[in-house]
Amino acid sequence: QITLKESGPTLVNPTQTLTLTCSFSGFSFSSSGVGVGWIRQPPGKALEWLAVIYWNDEKRYSPSLKRSLSITKDTSKDQVVLTMTDMDPVDTATYYCAHRLGGSTTGGAYNVWGQGSMVTVSS
Amino acid sequence: QSVLTQPPSVSGAPGQRVTISCAGSSSNIGTIYDVHWYQQIPGTPPKYLISGNNNRPSGVPDRFSGSKSGTSASLAITGLQAEDEADYYCQCYDTSLSGYVFGTGTKVTVL
Repeated sequence: QITLKESGPTLVNPTQTLTLTCSFSGFSFSSSGVGVGWIRQPPGKALEWLAVIYWNDEKRYSPSLKRSLSITKDTSKDQVVLTMTDMDPVDTATYYCAHRLGGSTTGGAYNVWGQGSMVTVSS
Repeated sequence: QSVLTQPPSVSGAPGQRVTISCAGSSSNIGTIYDVHWYQQIPGTPPKYLISGNNNRPSGVPDRFSGSKSGTSASLAITGLQAEDEADYYCQCYDTSLSGYVFGTGTKVTVL
């Protein structure tokens, strides 16, 4: 059974850097095709894809946020970390990590999601 | 920021059939990549519903079906039930962005 869980601060100040950790079980980055992505959802708004990292360490970012995002994986801890610099109040959202179902570094659905981590950006 | 456009809301009576459209472009829905659909009940994470025409994970009833034509896709719900009241999102891979895109979301109301 695949499970994922996000952890990180619930409140960050504007201009600060956000670091979120996704801890998972039930799969491993040692398997070809594995991917973990981050998606966020501002209150009352739609889902927005942020980034994905694959088993082979390839990474993809949302073009509109690429300059502020970084995604890494720690295979020994079964974790994926997302950092987002220069946070702004508009970045207030629930941040989800999710397992990507697929065999390559393109396409695929996010078939299992974490419960989400609500992050508020405010001074 | 969504590049996939959905109607804000659709509604139907119990037992009826409703469809949700998802309009994209030649770099996402118009490619070889499947369109995926998610159901989200407010306050909970999205739930993976269906990929392509009929690739449903176990536990998802066959009342849900997907289709794609050109640069648009649709999700159909037949035999609408009260438990289907939720927000629905389409998602696809976009070749020009080298990443994933979600739809604007559709709220389904059961009358």
